[in-house]
Amino acid sequence: DAGVIQSPRHEVTEMGQEVTLRCKPISGHDYLFWYRQTMMRGLELLIYFNNNVPIDDSGMPEDRFSAKMPNASFSTLKIQPSEPRDSAVYFCASRLGGPSYNEQFFGPGTRLTVL
Amino acid sequence: DAKTTQPPSMDCAEGRAANLPCNHSTISGNEYVYWYRQIHSQGPQYIIHGLKNNETNEMASLIITEDRKSSTLILPHATLRDTAVYYCIVRVAGNTGKLIFGQGTTLQVKP
Repeated sequence: DAGVIQSPRHEVTEMGQEVTLRCKPISGHDYLFWYRQTMMRGLELLIYFNNNVPIDDSGMPEDRFSAKMPNASFSTLKIQPSEPRDSAVYFCASRLGGPSYNEQFFGPGTRLTVL
Repeated sequence: DAKTTQPPSMDCAEGRAANLPCNHSTISGNEYVYWYRQIHSQGPQYIIHGLKNNETNEMASLIITEDRKSSTLILPHATLRDTAVYYCIVRVAGNTGKLIFGQGTTLQVKP
């Protein structure tokens, strides 16, 4: 298995532009998570899905952020319009569901720079 | 989920055991202790988890005190590739997926 796949790996954009980050979870995993990491705030959970349904989006910073999971093998995190303070590394992770804990597998991240 | 406290940084000599402490004095009876690490520029990686018994796998050992208020992650023979930020997380097991990452401990393994 190729693991969690994220694209693009690096994104540089200008303030006000729309940014779309993409994630392909590990096949068969029921849960998908989006995290954001900055020096100031560390690693923060933004939103997570279970069986393609958003379960908890309390970490989404504001209405400029939106996430979708149209099917079990694809998710997007969109920022519109982007601002310089959105510059961060965005990680996607996935895991199996079930009664016992299953570790989260993280992707390599997307480094976003908003100028 | 219970809060954890970790030292911000630690050093370890290559080949020696690295012992990373974590305090979780408010842990509940049904909360597990999980450890992840993050090597520079990579996504976090699961290491190990436990409830109350000591656990060991190919990466590390986890020692949990009898009162469960603290634990220690042990890397038995640290290598330069173990240099990373190590996160101790306490949460209830089950289908809820949230992991709350603190600031972690930056472990520097030195030759």
